[in-house]
Amino acid sequence: EDQVTQSPEALRLQEGESSSLNCSYTVSGLRGLFWYRQDPGKGPEFLFTLYSAGEEKEKERLKATLTKKESFLHITAPKPEDSATYLCAVQAGGGGSNYKLTFGKGTLLTVNP
Amino acid sequence: EPEVTQTPSHQVTQMGQEVILRCVPISNHLYFYWYRQILGQKVEFLVSFYNNEISEKSEIFDDQFSVERPDGSNFTLKIRSTKLEDSAMYFCARRTSGSQTQYFGPGTRLLVL
Repeated sequence: EDQVTQSPEALRLQEGESSSLNCSYTVSGLRGLFWYRQDPGKGPEFLFTLYSAGEEKEKERLKATLTKKESFLHITAPKPEDSATYLCAVQAGGGGSNYKLTFGKGTLLTVNP
Repeated sequence: EPEVTQTPSHQVTQMGQEVILRCVPISNHLYFYWYRQILGQKVEFLVSFYNNEISEKSEIFDDQFSVERPDGSNFTLKIRSTKLEDSAMYFCARRTSGSQTQYFGPGTRLLVL
């Protein structure tokens, strides 16, 4: 069974204080790892897709990296508007998976001004 | 990339009643997914739908659930006899051919009393 564990569950930062969120996974053949941002009461908003170990993606203050067992979402000099829940999801390989996503519980990030 | 829209945004129903949640794609996508998120819990896969047929469903997706694309446009999730534990956010997601990324709608908040 595919599993995704995110840590920490919650993280409080001061504006400008850089940090990283962790996503560790167990999957039978990784097809892709995804990061989403979710604001309260809203749907997940796509951020990044990572396909293989060593891959990195960047977008503004966010940078996602991938190893064979985990992914990190690095947040550089965060701003209050970066406050949200960040979700990690994996897509397993194999012919019958139909690209379904298995999500972690998320990390609630709060950035104080 | 454009998302899908979902209606209604909120629905309150009595236990045992039938509800229909709708997902309206912006363009003619072939791959659709339904997920749910119980308050405070992780996003969970329900069902995937490709070319007007169910391609995969989870253990959650039992006989009280059904999906269809009645008019070739809207994509619906029907819950025949709602239970208290069906209270959750329900998200529709779409994927285009050749891409692994799923884009989520804003969700329908269902409350079963």
